Amino acid sequence: EDKVVQSPLSLVVHEGDTVTLNCSYEVTNFRSLLWYKQEKKAPTFLFMLTSSGIEKKSGRLSSILDKKELFSILNITATQTGDSAVYLCAVRESGGSNYKLTFGKGTLLTVNP
Amino acid sequence: EADIYQTPRYLVIGTGKKITLECSQTMGHDKMYWYQQDPGMELHLIHYSYGVNSTEKGDLSSESTVSRIRTEHFPLTLESARPSHTSQYLCASSPGLPSYEQYFGPGTRLTVT
Repeated sequence: EDKVVQSPLSLVVHEGDTVTLNCSYEVTNFRSLLWYKQEKKAPTFLFMLTSSGIEKKSGRLSSILDKKELFSILNITATQTGDSAVYLCAVRESGGSNYKLTFGKGTLLTVNP
Repeated sequence: EADIYQTPRYLVIGTGKKITLECSQTMGHDKMYWYQQDPGMELHLIHYSYGVNSTEKGDLSSESTVSRIRTEHFPLTLESARPSHTSQYLCASSPGLPSYEQYFGPGTRLTVT
């Protein structure tokens, strides 16, 4: 079964809108959750979250983690066409020397002018 | 800015050919990874390495093989390409502790005819 589930799978908005992307996870030994932005090519790192309730912020993007309910959200305010991309959520499990990430399918965000 | 390179960027090749996808990073990272990503689907880990002469199979079974003779180099080889190998292949590296962020290369889009 899927360990990392993102919703919605796709979203179309207009410039200036605010969007919220969701990521829920189900892993045995959670260690951290990471958000990436993937445009045409390689995913680029946005945030890493390890503690509940602490918001990470970078410009118009922000993210928060809820370890009790096992989910994270990524907010984008005042969206721009350049925000159009696939947003990926990934989870790292703890244990030994585990550095592997498990990715969700991503949310395809399209921002129209 | 991450310095991780993949060549070729695009490859169209006939069935049965042997191919090697190159991945190099100049950051001195011990940890390196290969992911396979089909359109609209999540990244699947197919191989990883935590250091020189150390390689492991990932979560998704793959007919490819990898080697790690030098820290900076992590090539992936398909001995006999098949149409089912058509996909995008992404290479990544990470420094490990204290940061688990993975840096991605631009990817190789492989088409096997």
